[in-house]
Amino acid sequence: NAGVTQTPKFQVLKTGQSMTLQCAQDMNHEYMSWYRQDPGMGLRLIHYSVGAGITDQGEVPNGYNVSRSTTEDFPLRLLSAAPSQTSVYFCASSYSQEVGYTIYFGEGSWLTVV
Amino acid sequence: AQSVTQLDSHVSVSEGTPVLLRCNYSSSYSPSLFWYVQHPNKGLQLLLKYTSAATLVKGINGFEAEFKKSETSFHLTKPSAHMSDAAEYFCVVSDMKTGGSNYKLTFGKGTLLTVNP
Repeated sequence: NAGVTQTPKFQVLKTGQSMTLQCAQDMNHEYMSWYRQDPGMGLRLIHYSVGAGITDQGEVPNGYNVSRSTTEDFPLRLLSAAPSQTSVYFCASSYSQEVGYTIYFGEGSWLTVV
Repeated sequence: AQSVTQLDSHVSVSEGTPVLLRCNYSSSYSPSLFWYVQHPNKGLQLLLKYTSAATLVKGINGFEAEFKKSETSFHLTKPSAHMSDAAEYFCVVSDMKTGGSNYKLTFGKGTLLTVNP
């Protein structure tokens, strides 16, 4: 049981490049989400999904795109990378969006945009 | 609107001494509260959670937290610090609204715990 798996762990991008951060979970969780972590800011929600085919915006969605074609996968796309997107990105999943269910986090993806 | 304030950005203790990490929250409804720990270059691991059951919650690795509604606090404690406890700790709140709202977790800004030998 791998839990939540993120790839790549480290990435350096040039301004304007695009890339996709991959996230997969093997726990049959309906709810998946992406957060970014910046120094002194805690974690902020980018996008989330409550099931295959359903996505919605979080607190800081600009510059990011998501899709959910399967229950297992929830990729995050940076369409045109900017230095302000330099951050650590965490994918998370939960059995349900209902309060009280534990959210499981991946180990993070460190992204630098130069 | 919900919010979380971690009162200390950095706490330093000696090994074997008690740990206290302070968290105050604001919520319009009956909240669920969590503490997560993040070791360097690692993901977040759940330490414990409060979901309207017992107000004293016991977690992993000897940590516990007490939900105090009158003080809107959810402080994290451990009787005796270990070197392996050195990490960043996040207090997290989620409102319990009709239909649930797990996706609207609000994170505190984190408390860095240093444990000195």
